[in-house]
Amino acid sequence: EVQLVQSGAEVKKPGESLKISCQASGYTFRTYWIAWVRQTPEKGLEWIGIILPADSDTRYSPSFKGQVAISADESLSTAYLQWSSLKASDTAMYYCVRHYAGFFAAWGQGTLVTVSS
Amino acid sequence: ENVLTQSPGTLSLSPGERATLSCRASQSVSGNFLAWYQQKHGQAPRLLIYGASSRATGIPDRFSGSGSGTDFTLTISSLEAEDFAVYYCLQYDTSPQEFTFGPGTKVEVK
Repeated sequence: EVQLVQSGAEVKKPGESLKISCQASGYTFRTYWIAWVRQTPEKGLEWIGIILPADSDTRYSPSFKGQVAISADESLSTAYLQWSSLKASDTAMYYCVRHYAGFFAAWGQGTLVTVSS
Repeated sequence: ENVLTQSPGTLSLSPGERATLSCRASQSVSGNFLAWYQQKHGQAPRLLIYGASSRATGIPDRFSGSGSGTDFTLTISSLEAEDFAVYYCLQYDTSPQEFTFGPGTKVEVK
């Protein structure tokens, strides 16, 4: 069974850094693209970017390019989403998802990130 | 960017009724890379339909998807209590590789 297990909720202050994780199991991690999706009440669901763990080929939505970094560690079957300097507007639920043939079939449980002074 | 519009924003129906949800794209969706998701409060979205009309594993046959080009429809033939939720469409562009979600349609109990 394909499973994506994300790290726990985070509460951070503006300007702090953060790295959240998504550990995959039940399939060959390196061969499927893993994406990150943000959800807020104001903007709904937004695609952030995507990575292929086999070669770390990474693509970003123009809206998020330069704002976050996506990476993956094959040895740990884990993908990451990180910020170097958080803003209040980064407060959201973040999901990792496994991409296949143009859709996201498997979703992590979500990581709630709250940025507040 | 291919912008998706979903209508109506909210659909008020009774159990047993038929629900028809629309997803319209600003540009043609290549390869019919259009999927539908259901999200209940506090849960991650769940895949219902992919490739515009293929049901995902374990999805009841009361859910069906249709459409091509810029106009797509999700139909729930007879609403069950567990179907009241928010529904999103998702489209995929291969070049450049980009994904876009629609704003969602809430199906609520009338």
